[in-house]
Amino acid sequence: AQKITQTQPGMFVQEKEAVTLDCTYDTSDQSYGLFWYKQPSSGEMIFLIYQGSYDEQNATEGRYSLNFQKARKSANLVISASQLGDSAMYFCAMREGGSNTGKLIFGQGTTLQVKP
Amino acid sequence: NAGVTQTPKFQVLKTGQSMTLQCAQDMNHEYMSWYRQDPGMGLRLIHYSVGAGITDQGEVPNGYNVSRSTTEDFPLRLLSAAPSQTSVYFCASSYRGTPPDTQYFGPGTRLTVL
Repeated sequence: AQKITQTQPGMFVQEKEAVTLDCTYDTSDQSYGLFWYKQPSSGEMIFLIYQGSYDEQNATEGRYSLNFQKARKSANLVISASQLGDSAMYFCAMREGGSNTGKLIFGQGTTLQVKP
Repeated sequence: NAGVTQTPKFQVLKTGQSMTLQCAQDMNHEYMSWYRQDPGMGLRLIHYSVGAGITDQGEVPNGYNVSRSTTEDFPLRLLSAAPSQTSVYFCASSYRGTPPDTQYFGPGTRLTVL
């Protein structure tokens, strides 16, 4: 069965340092999509980055990059040069299939705290 | 564009009451979904729709009804509220196109059932 696992309930990072948030997934589909969302304390869900299963390059969006290791079924989020505003909960999510289905499966989330 | 809007922001119900959570989007997205978020857990899919008149169940559909009569609106109905339905509810929409098929989320409705 499809599943997303985030094994780090909470993480701390010093401001300006890089941090990696782990995400592993389980699916029998060959085609799928992986997403990361940020949820600050205000509660909204903010899209950060997307990786398709057939994308050869790791996705990058500004300070966010996705370390995609298909054979290991991992899709870790790397945040470079952490800022205080990065303190939030981060969710990894997966869409099975090659195109939009309207359905996402989410992990339990990782709470990141950035220390000044 | 307002994006995805949800009303109300907060709601308190008594056990057995019914209510409708409203969701609307102005991006002409074909797909809309409802999720619930419980403490310490990720979001779980309740119901989703791939177009007007078409809905389907997600992972946790029991106790909820949906309908989609227009592209813009996707209300979620609680038939007889139970304390187990205390949660934060998110509505999301996305377009039917090539990836990235990003889902855009509303601000959420925080529901407490006493």
